Amino acid sequence: AQTVTQSQPEMSVQEAETVTLSCTYDTSESDYYLFWYKQPPSRQMILVIRQEAYKQQNATENRFSVNFQKAAKSFSLKISDSQLGDAAMYFCAEWNYGGSQGNLIFGKGTKLSVKP
Amino acid sequence: DGGITQSPKYLFRKEGQNVTLSCEQNLNHDAMYWYRQDPGQGLRLIYYSQIVNDFQKGDIAEGYSVSREKKESFPLTVTSAQKNPTAFYLCAAGGDYSPLHFGNGTRLTVT
Repeated sequence: AQTVTQSQPEMSVQEAETVTLSCTYDTSESDYYLFWYKQPPSRQMILVIRQEAYKQQNATENRFSVNFQKAAKSFSLKISDSQLGDAAMYFCAEWNYGGSQGNLIFGKGTKLSVKP
Repeated sequence: DGGITQSPKYLFRKEGQNVTLSCEQNLNHDAMYWYRQDPGQGLRLIYYSQIVNDFQKGDIAEGYSVSREKKESFPLTVTSAQKNPTAFYLCAAGGDYSPLHFGNGTRLTVT
């Protein structure tokens, strides 16, 4: 069965500093996508960044970037120049497109606090 | 604006009553999903539908039912058989190879 593990229940970062959130996953599929979602106090799920497994280049979206290590099944999120608005729950998720079931498997989340 | 609309935002029910959560999308996506979120947990899949008039059980379907009579709509009914219905419910829609778009969620409290 697919699993996604986020080993850091909570993280804290100083405003303007850099923080890295960890995620590991376990899948036997070869064709999959990885995502990081942000859930602020409003509780809406917002897509932060996604990575196609077949791409070796790490995805980047402005201050957000990933370190995708396919062999190690690791997918960490780096937030640079942290801002107060980055404070939220962050969920790592994996989606296998190879099977008949399109199901996004989520980790349990990391709560990020940003200190002014 | 394109998006996913969930209503109501907050819902209160007495134990033993069925309740239906609404989810509407105007993104023209074929697939729609219902997730449940509990404190300290990620999202868990309840039901999903990849096409009109067809739907599949997810990991925690017991005590829930859905229908998909229209592409735009995917309502979720929480039945009295669901033992712990109090939770936050998120609806999502997505197309092939596109990431899911989520609604704003419904907070259901059953007392």
